[in-house]
Amino acid sequence: DVKVTQSSRYLVKRTGEKVFLECVQDMDHENMFWYRQDPGLGLRLIYFSYDVKMKEKGDIPEGYSVSREKKERFSLILESASTNQTSMYLCASSFLGQAGSTEAFFGQGTRLTVV
Amino acid sequence: AQKITQTQPGMFVQEKEAVTLDCTYDTSDPSYGLFWYKQPSSGEMIFLIYQGSYDQQNATEGRYSLNFQKARKSANLVISASQLGDSAMYFCAMREVMDSNYQLIWGAGTKLIIKP
Repeated sequence: DVKVTQSSRYLVKRTGEKVFLECVQDMDHENMFWYRQDPGLGLRLIYFSYDVKMKEKGDIPEGYSVSREKKERFSLILESASTNQTSMYLCASSFLGQAGSTEAFFGQGTRLTVV
Repeated sequence: AQKITQTQPGMFVQEKEAVTLDCTYDTSDPSYGLFWYKQPSSGEMIFLIYQGSYDQQNATEGRYSLNFQKARKSANLVISASQLGDSAMYFCAMREVMDSNYQLIWGAGTKLIIKP
């Protein structure tokens, strides 16, 4: 079974803190993604990576950065957490493969609250 | 303009009934893929079913089927004989081949509640 693991299910951080969200996948997938999910807005892509040390901005990269030093690990960094970054964060991975047929596999999500 | 539209924010369905979740999409790419995911209250996204734009037949996976109407740009999910465990958020997503990074574009989701 494909396994995508996020380091925390729930996090509470203070405004201004630097926050690291970690994601590890064990299926040798090239692509990895970070989304945030807010009610009524669906999933919005923050950043994605298609190879080690490669990253691309998604739809809402402001206030976030990412790191992919190893193929299996993709980290999301909130440089200075703010209350409007309170959200559910979802990590996903997929093979690079043919665009149409390759589903993404998701982690269990991290619910981050910034106070 | 929204590329994926799910017009039903929430639905109540009686157990054992069939349910149809609506999804319309907008793309100029002739080659694309459509996905449905389920997200239970636990938070994990679970892949349900996939339909390619060139597939001749509607996709089916167990109790799930995709009613693909290409001319109408519609890809509705049909769940037959609903069960209490089907209560969850359901998301429709699309991937366009023109997008070289193969990103998924997501709808806002439909919350499905199955009543006993």
